Amino acid sequence: DAEITQSPRHKITETGRQVTLACHQTWNHNNMFWYRQDLGHGLRLIHYSYGVQDTNKGEVSDGYSVSRSNTEDLPLTLESAASSQTSVYFCASRENMNTEAFFGQGTRLTVV
Amino acid sequence: KNEVEQSPQNLTAQEGEFITINCSYSVGISALHWLQQHPGGGIVSLFMLSSGKKKHGRLIATINIQEKHSSLHITASHPRDSAVYICAVGGADGLTFGKGTHLIIQP
Repeated sequence: DAEITQSPRHKITETGRQVTLACHQTWNHNNMFWYRQDLGHGLRLIHYSYGVQDTNKGEVSDGYSVSRSNTEDLPLTLESAASSQTSVYFCASRENMNTEAFFGQGTRLTVV
Repeated sequence: KNEVEQSPQNLTAQEGEFITINCSYSVGISALHWLQQHPGGGIVSLFMLSSGKKKHGRLIATINIQEKHSSLHITASHPRDSAVYICAVGGADGLTFGKGTHLIIQP
């Protein structure tokens, strides 16, 4: 069965370190997204991609970057982790804007 | 930017009760999604709808495009329905989410 997986599921890192969260989907979807979920804010868009070599900034992109070298993967990098980036991160994919979205299980990141 | 409002924010009910969660949005959309998230868990898509009504088991979702409003109903609620239910509206740059409704069904 097709799926979308995130790794790691839990990560603790120190302030200032570079961190990369992985997202891998086997749906062959062109659209992929990264969101963060925080109490009181709900889910907010960090970055998204419509296909290979395409990346776009979302609502809360500062301090984050993504790259899309193939259809299956959209890694999210925190260039220099900050305590404000402690959150739960979700990756999602969909075929197009009129189709169902599928979510990974989430990565809980703690920056100390 | 589309604004998505859900109500209520929190809902506690007894097993067997009929549950209604509401969602309203500010800008016309192509599709609306209802999602479910169990504590500490991932996010699962329940429905995607652009008009009318959909039913899956004990869950029913309706949407009124003219009024920019959708409802999620749960019939014969059960403790396993306890979760956060999230409304999201679709656009070219992904989904815009409501803050969720935290539902607790007591036995």
